[in-house]
Amino acid sequence: QKEVEQNSGPLSVPEGAIASLNCTYSDRGSQSFFWYRQYSGKSPELIMFIYSNGDKEDGRFTAQLNKASQYVSLLIRDSQPSDSATYLCAGTGGTSYGKLTFGQGTILTVHP
Amino acid sequence: GAVVSQHPSWVICKSGTSVKIECRSLDFQATTMFWYRQFPKQSLMLMATSNEGSKATYEQGVEKDKFLINHASLTLSTLTVTSAHPEDSSFYICSAKDRGNEQFFGPGTRLTVL
Repeated sequence: QKEVEQNSGPLSVPEGAIASLNCTYSDRGSQSFFWYRQYSGKSPELIMFIYSNGDKEDGRFTAQLNKASQYVSLLIRDSQPSDSATYLCAGTGGTSYGKLTFGQGTILTVHP
Repeated sequence: GAVVSQHPSWVICKSGTSVKIECRSLDFQATTMFWYRQFPKQSLMLMATSNEGSKATYEQGVEKDKFLINHASLTLSTLTVTSAHPEDSSFYICSAKDRGNEQFFGPGTRLTVL
C-alpha cells in the first residue's frame, strides 16, 4: 500500500466550476500536508499546506484535513484554464527532517 | 519567498560520463536539502536527504556510489551522476528547507544520456 494515495483522475471540469482533489495517507505519524501544482516540464510549486484538522482557505483554494479519516483534500473554486496542471499531495512523516512523501498526482484539466 | 536555483537546467551527455548538478538556496540557509527524480508521467521520488556537513541518507534502492551527494555549505548541495546510462535520463529536482516545515523546490534539471 502506498503511503500517500490520490484519486487517480484525470479530472476534467468546466471553467468556473469547483475542482475537488482528494488524498489519503496511511502513516498516522504524518503531521503536515502539502498541495503542489506542477505544470508539464516544470518543478512543483507550493499551493498551500495544512497541519490542523479542519479547513484552511487561501483565495480560491481550500485545503481540508481530517486526521481521524486520514484524508486531505483540495478544493479549487472558480476553476480557470490556467489551473490545468498535475496536482501533487505530499505528507511529512514523523521525522525531524521533514521528508515529504508524494502521491502519484492528479491531472486536472479545466476546459473553457 | 525563498528561492532555490539549479544548474544546469538541462544537460545532454554521453553514456559513461559523469554529470554534476548544483542546487543553491539563494536567500536562506538550507539546513536540509533533498534530491528527487521524476520520470515522465510519474510523481517525484525522493532519492536522498542531505544535511550540511554530514553524509547523505539515501532512499532504498538508490545507489549511493552512483549518485554522489555533497552538501558542503548551508547554501549549496551537488548531485553527481557517475557513469551515466540512458536509464538515468530523468528530471532531477532539488528542494531545500530551513528550520521551518516548508520545502522550496528548484526549477529542476533535465538529464538526457545518449
